[in-house]
Amino acid sequence: EVQLVESGGDLVKPGGSLRLSCAASGFTFSNAYMSWVRQAPGKGLEWVGRIKSKTDGETTEYTAPVKGRFTISRDDSKNTLNLQMNSLKIEDTAVYYCTTGGKLFDHWGQGTLVTVSS
Amino acid sequence: DIVMTQSPDSLAVSLGERATINCKSSQSVLYSSNNKHYLAWYQQKPGQPPKLLIYWASTRQSGVPDRFSGSGSGTDFTLTISSLQAEDVAVYYCQQYYSSPRTFGQGTKLEIK
Repeated sequence: EVQLVESGGDLVKPGGSLRLSCAASGFTFSNAYMSWVRQAPGKGLEWVGRIKSKTDGETTEYTAPVKGRFTISRDDSKNTLNLQMNSLKIEDTAVYYCTTGGKLFDHWGQGTLVTVSS
Repeated sequence: DIVMTQSPDSLAVSLGERATINCKSSQSVLYSSNNKHYLAWYQQKPGQPPKLLIYWASTRQSGVPDRFSGSGSGTDFTLTISSLQAEDVAVYYCQQYYSSPRTFGQGTKLEIK
């Protein structure tokens, strides 16, 4: 059974940084493209970015509002996906979901809440 | 960016009746080389993460009940629930994966009348 467990969500001040992690199990993580999708409170879904597998170059892609501030990485030895978030803005407040897939998203974690507020 | 627009924003349907949700993309999501529409539907129940229901516009994900069906082509797509059950109360999202950034519709909230 595929399991994705996010962690690292917290309350942070504008301009601050936070690192989210996602522990994956139940599938061959190293072969998987992985993505982050976020959902602001009471709002819809927004794709944040994705990382390809190492064999496909481990390249990343991001949505414009986070480009240059967020970095997705992976540690295949630990089956872990990471999201480093810098220069956080109030509008980054959301539940962040770790998902399998780079185009469509077939498995989702429960999410971790990031609140950016002074 | 491809803009996805769903209608209606909310919908109330009686148990056992048909529910229909529409999704329109700002440009075609048909990839001509394989004749596939890069369109997916998700269901999000209260307090839960989204769940993939349908991909390639009309292919049900494994385990999804056959009362859920997807249809459409070009820029206009439909999710149909043939006979609404109480457990289908949720917000439904369409999503295009034809191009980056992947984009979602704003969601349609489905309730019981």
